[in-house]
Amino acid sequence: GENVEQHPSTLSVQEGDSAVIKCTYSDSASNYFPWYKQELGKRPQLIIDIRSNVGEKKDQRIAVTLNKTAKHFSLHITETQPEDSAVYFCAASTTGTASKLTFGTGTRLQVTL
Amino acid sequence: NAGVTQTPKFRVLKTGQSMTLLCAQDMNHEYMYWYRQDPGMGLRLIHYSVGEGTTAKGEVPDGYNVSRLKKQNFLLGLESAAPSQTSVYFCASSYSPGGGTSRTYEQYFGPGTRLTVT
Repeated sequence: GENVEQHPSTLSVQEGDSAVIKCTYSDSASNYFPWYKQELGKRPQLIIDIRSNVGEKKDQRIAVTLNKTAKHFSLHITETQPEDSAVYFCAASTTGTASKLTFGTGTRLQVTL
Repeated sequence: NAGVTQTPKFRVLKTGQSMTLLCAQDMNHEYMYWYRQDPGMGLRLIHYSVGEGTTAKGEVPDGYNVSRLKKQNFLLGLESAAPSQTSVYFCASSYSPGGGTSRTYEQYFGPGTRLTVT
């Protein structure tokens, strides 16, 4: 089955700096890569996703890049703000019969003033 | 729309007891999922359903059973709870992919159920 590795497990940045979280996947058939943000005690919420026919996608301060050849994808957050502090999860799936997501183990991002 | 709701929010069980977690969604989603979240391990898929009356095993199905008698509900059962099942359980739902549309693959999560087995 699919295996998703995520690094780093914790990341501390100063407000205004950029943050980058990286994930690798093992199944070359995976073609959908979402990123979820989870605040303490809350449910995971989708912040951005990318399909394998696209190399990069951007939404305001967040962007995701995908390298299918190397089987890795990354989340980039620019101009970080305190409200960006949360745990971020990457995931991978195929979009066949069921979009069964395999999640990474999460990155705790702390944005300090 | 309430989105995805879960009942109960918290529960404490003794080893060997049974319980059922209820997930309900009002978005007319075809697919529903049950995950468990443990510290340092992300979310792991327990069981999922691609439609009313159908269920399938995920990554960690042992010790759990599910049923999807109605499209909007997905039940997760623990027949004989064990301390290893102490976790936060999340339900999610999504549209089915394909059909040549630009339907989102996004999974919408419920608020979670915190279960402790002593």
